[in-house]
Amino acid sequence: RKEVEQDPGPFNVPEGATVAFNCTYSNSASQSFFWYRQDCRKEPKLLMSVYSSGNEDGRFTAQLNRASQYISLLIRDSKLSDSATYLCVVKSPFNKFYFGSGTKLNVKP
Amino acid sequence: EPEVTQTPSHQVTQMGQEVILRCVPISNHLYFYWYRQILGQKVEFLVSFYNNEISEKSEIFDDQFSVERPDGSNFTLKIRSTKLEDSAMYFCASTPSGGAGGELFFGEGSRLTVL
Repeated sequence: RKEVEQDPGPFNVPEGATVAFNCTYSNSASQSFFWYRQDCRKEPKLLMSVYSSGNEDGRFTAQLNRASQYISLLIRDSKLSDSATYLCVVKSPFNKFYFGSGTKLNVKP
Repeated sequence: EPEVTQTPSHQVTQMGQEVILRCVPISNHLYFYWYRQILGQKVEFLVSFYNNEISEKSEIFDDQFSVERPDGSNFTLKIRSTKLEDSAMYFCASTPSGGAGGELFFGEGSRLTVL
């Protein structure tokens, strides 16, 4: 079983749509959770950390469910500039980071 | 804002040659990593480095690869006898702390093309 699994993409949505990505992780001892955004041929950049209480940053909302070992990212009012690959990243003990394979989002006019 | 810097941004080499990719992590960070990403594929862990030694390495990180932190700032990845399949983006990353929190900060990557 993979350490981190994400929805397969691509997600093709119109501008203004709401889109949700899911991610599951296998290690219940995982400590920290992140969503990164990666543009084509660029480095991953932190979009947001994910907390048990859930957190929001503008149009982006992240949720963590430790009991189900499940992380989500919700993007409201999608913009063309949101088109990218979204990586779910989980930090386990001993500072090891596990990456999902990424979910590609295409926002179309 | 402090950042991880990597050089070169792009290197083209002939198969069988050695390459050295350089990284300067953020100065107060303690944990350093190299990742590889073949075009169109996922980010793959190569090696992690802490307290001047390798803390973990993946199956990819075989005898062809080595890492060094020669002078307390640079963190290098050496690839000996490059193969065509080594063509990829190589990302250096660092994180300030162990334990919870402490996200990864990535450099812009070094694109390696092996001909």
